[in-house]
Amino acid sequence: EIVLTQSPGTLSLSPGERATLSCRASQSVGRNYLAWYQQKPGQAPRLLIYNASSRATGFPDRFIGSGSGTDFTLTISRLEPEDFAVYYCQQYATAPCAFGQGTRVEIK
Amino acid sequence: QITLKESGPTLVKPTQTLTLTCTFSGFSLSTTAVGVAWIRQPPGKALEWLALIYWDDDNHYSPFLKSRLTLTKDTSKNQVVLTMTNMDPVDTATYYCAHTSGWLVDFWGQGTLVTVSS
Repeated sequence: EIVLTQSPGTLSLSPGERATLSCRASQSVGRNYLAWYQQKPGQAPRLLIYNASSRATGFPDRFIGSGSGTDFTLTISRLEPEDFAVYYCQQYATAPCAFGQGTRVEIK
Repeated sequence: QITLKESGPTLVKPTQTLTLTCTFSGFSLSTTAVGVAWIRQPPGKALEWLALIYWDDDNHYSPFLKSRLTLTKDTSKNQVVLTMTNMDPVDTATYYCAHTSGWLVDFWGQGTLVTVSS
């Protein structure tokens, strides 16, 4: 079973700043099958990034996924007010397709 | 347009069996490489992957819950049913079903809150 560890738990930033979120896997994620999801309060999560770096439909290019193997990063280049949310990573290379514990991006 | 909706009881008693139905549209579970996953989220906590049923009837379960979970599908009705036995208050959560492409969760249902309490 692959365990995902996200850091930091909470990121306090101002609009316009850059956010860098980390997701580390306990073993290599095959084919870089790593996804990121955005979840806002009271809503279901939305797919944001898949295959580590491909952006899902509807998300702007300020969201950038990168990494391979065991280390993955989600970067939000300039935070907009609507970007403040919780972000989860998930590997879907092997079952169980575990999620990380999430990073909350909050307004400073 | 892919949509999914979870239905079932909002309140169950400890030791009871929970049965949730995912009714979907916009895709078929007989299509190659398509699946339906179940994910839950306790209030204020992280997402937890529970299980996946695949187009070819290949099922996968969380090893932590495998003994309590069963997934079945009815392709003609566009439904997937999740059964979880021996419910406990720690199972209180919002339960989501979701479409998968391969094993990638790409479309989510709105979720349904299930409370376990006597």
